[in-house]
Amino acid sequence: AQSVTQLGSHVSVSEGALVLLRCNYSSSVPPYLFWYVQYPNQGLQLLLKYTTGATLVKGINGFEAEFKKSETSFHLTKPSAHMSDAAEYFCAVSKAAGNKLTFGGGTRVLVKP
Amino acid sequence: DTAVSQTPKYLVTQMGNDKSIKCEQNLGHDTMYWYKQDSKKFLKIMFSYNNKELIINETVPNRFSPKSPDKAHLNLHINSLELGDSAVYFCASSPRDVDTEAFFGQGTRLTVV
Repeated sequence: AQSVTQLGSHVSVSEGALVLLRCNYSSSVPPYLFWYVQYPNQGLQLLLKYTTGATLVKGINGFEAEFKKSETSFHLTKPSAHMSDAAEYFCAVSKAAGNKLTFGGGTRVLVKP
Repeated sequence: DTAVSQTPKYLVTQMGNDKSIKCEQNLGHDTMYWYKQDSKKFLKIMFSYNNKELIINETVPNRFSPKSPDKAHLNLHINSLELGDSAVYFCASSPRDVDTEAFFGQGTRLTVV
């Protein structure tokens, strides 16, 4: 069975500071990894994904994540936080791109002016 | 032009009632899903259909019955609603055989009173 752990249910950052959201996974097969963002009262929007190939993936809104197989991690970063980054972020894993997603518990990001 | 659309967006109903949530996708995807997000924001797969055929049923009470009249539609019917059914329900779709992520609807917030 697959599982995802997001360290920290809440993260508070200052505007302009680094955003780092941690995600560790367990999977019996090579994983497909995703980060989704959920703004208040909205659906989930894909930020970025890792399927195969380059382990450093870039997504929308200046976010990027690095797949580290040895650490079973897929941490999300953004060099400089913006007020509009305040949202809930979900890491997810699947066995294939068209397969069901197993989500982490989510991390709420608060951006302070 | 909404890719995955759900109706209604909000649903407030009394215990014991029967209600339905509708989902439609115009992306031409073969696979559709229902996910449940509880009050702590935890997301979990409920059902998955591929081309109208049920392929995943994740330990969901029998009161929940998905129906897929065609591969563009996946509806969720809930009988005898209970307080614990209050949650946000997300519909999603993905192509089965290509390297693409799932697309989510805006969610239906169900409140059982």
